Parts: sequence; C-alpha cells; structure tokens
Amino acid sequence: NAGVTQTPKFRILKIGQSMTLQCTQDMNHNYMYWYRQDPGMGLKLIYYSVGAGITDKGEVPNGYNVSRSTTEDFPLRLELAAPSQTSVYFCAGGNSGGELFFGEGSRLTVL
Amino acid sequence: GENVEQHPSTLSVQEGDSAVIKCTYSDSASNYFPWYKQELGKGPQLIIDIRSNVGEKKDQRIAVTLNKTAKHFSLHITETQPEDSAVYFCAASRTDSSYKLIFGSGTRLLVRP
Repeated sequence: NAGVTQTPKFRILKIGQSMTLQCTQDMNHNYMYWYRQDPGMGLKLIYYSVGAGITDKGEVPNGYNVSRSTTEDFPLRLELAAPSQTSVYFCAGGNSGGELFFGEGSRLTVL
Repeated sequence: GENVEQHPSTLSVQEGDSAVIKCTYSDSASNYFPWYKQELGKGPQLIIDIRSNVGEKKDQRIAVTLNKTAKHFSLHITETQPEDSAVYFCAASRTDSSYKLIFGSGTRLLVRP
C-alpha cells in the first residue's frame, strides 16, 4: 500500500496562475482532508470530505476549491494564486477511529 | 470554533531526561485529542491519542493526560532519545464532526546526546 500520495512535491507559481494539487489514497478511507502548514503556525484545515460527492469547508477555505468524485482522489484547486498561498500542503486520509494518515506534502511557492 | 494552544514552542532536553508538552483547548464539546510527530520533510504521524472518557493513556515511553475540567492535555515522553527529536503537534476534535482536527502550533523538541 502506498498510503496517501501527493503530487507535485514542489511547484513554483506566478501570481494569478492556477494549479491543482493531486491527492490519492489506497486505504479506502472515507474521510479525506487538506491542510496547509506555514512556518511555526501548525496545520490549518482548508477543506475536508466525508465521502465521495461530499465536501465541506475547514478553517481557511478562501482561494481554494476541492472535489471528491471518487473515494480515492481528493484534488485541491488553487485559482488565481497569491503570495499568501505560499505554504506546504498536506493531504490526509482518515479512518473511522479518527487517525489521519498524511502524505509527504507539496511545497508551493507563489512569486 | 475550536482553538488549541500549545506550549512551549521549543524544548531542549538532555538524552534520558523527560519532556512535557502542554495544550489547552477551548471547545468543551471536543472529545478526541491526538498527538502527532513530524520529522523533517515528512507528514505528521500519529503517536498516541486519548478520548474524553479516560484521564491518562500510556504507550511505552509516551503518555498523555487529559483534564476535561481545565480543558488541557499533555504529552509526556520519558527516557528521551535522540530519535525523539522532531516537531510535535497536539490536536482536538469532536468525534461527531468528521474528526476535523484543529492543531496546535507545534513544539520543536531537541534531544541532546
């Protein structure tokens, strides 16, 4: 099992560009999450999903969109990238007991 | 909404000593409190968790205590080893909220050989 796989690992964007961070999991978890991690600030929840076709906002959803068409995939879309979106993004799958399994992260820089 | 505060932000201990990290939470309805360890360049990994129906839980050198009245919980690591050096995050959530974890800001633990 690969667990949670995120791509790309690194990306540089220009202000105003758009991109999609890909996340896929092979653990058959219903729950999936996107967090961003800024230096010294912990992890902030962007969006989450409790199953295919269902998504909801977290603490910091502005500037992002998600979709969950399958159990396995939970892509995060950035429209009109801004310097404030420079961060490390983590996708996670969650089991029914509450344990989150994180990917290795995607480092995004917006210049 | 929930707010989790974590202290200290950095902690340096001698190998073999104990380390304690403390967190407070604001939502009295929170009932699930996990701790995650993040090594450099990796995603966080669950090391121990506690639910609000117990006051303490141990797993070898790691223990977590919970005080529901005061709304705080702590991570205790005994006999620290250099491989314990990492960033540790506490978190809180309600189990009826799809386990939307709200994280503390993290503690960077350095264990000096």
